[in-house]
Amino acid sequence: DQQVKQNSPSLSVQEGRISILNCDYTNSMFDYFLWYKKYPAEGPTFLISISSIKDKNEDGRFTVFLNKSAKHLSLHIVPSQPGDSAVYFCAASAEGGSEKLVFGKGTKLTVNP
Amino acid sequence: EAGVVQSPRYKIIEKKQPVAFWCNPISGHNTLYWYRQNLGQGPELLIRYENEEAVDDSQLPKDRFSAERLKGVDSTLKIQPAELGDSAVYLCASSATGSGANVLTFGAGSRLTVL
Repeated sequence: DQQVKQNSPSLSVQEGRISILNCDYTNSMFDYFLWYKKYPAEGPTFLISISSIKDKNEDGRFTVFLNKSAKHLSLHIVPSQPGDSAVYFCAASAEGGSEKLVFGKGTKLTVNP
Repeated sequence: EAGVVQSPRYKIIEKKQPVAFWCNPISGHNTLYWYRQNLGQGPELLIRYENEEAVDDSQLPKDRFSAERLKGVDSTLKIQPAELGDSAVYLCASSATGSGANVLTFGAGSRLTVL
């Protein structure tokens, strides 16, 4: 039973345009959500997070939106850059983020010059 | 500041052979995690340590996998004997306990290939 779902295995966008990566979750106990970025042959690196008490968190070109009623979150990257090409993992946790992280399968983003 | 250090980065073994992975977490991080990432999947938790204590090992296949974290710093994950299905990337991560939400810092991983 997959509790965190990233239904798009891949996404391709043009440099300068917006990238939107989506994530759905099923466990209503999840109250803290994170996005990690992973380059080949490297470990995942933390990108941005959001608590369930918010519906939006912004950090530079990256914005995460949370829709609790739909159990859906999305990561927006504006403008997209070729260096953003990587695999993006959505992760969720309960107990304010103190419980274990449950990851989705990832979405491979390719930003074309 | 040094990140999470893992070794070896790559390991190729025959099935039924033993293998061990080592992890040195970020200094001061009390919580250490071992995750396994199969091809095309997200990382899945194997075991979590708070200092020396394994607080969550429910996903660790205990018939062949073992882990230890002596002195609450470095950790070793062992597989004996390895099976073909154990081929994966083994990721170590650490976080600071008591900081509220756990933001994990991952190492580069140890890629295991079982032939």
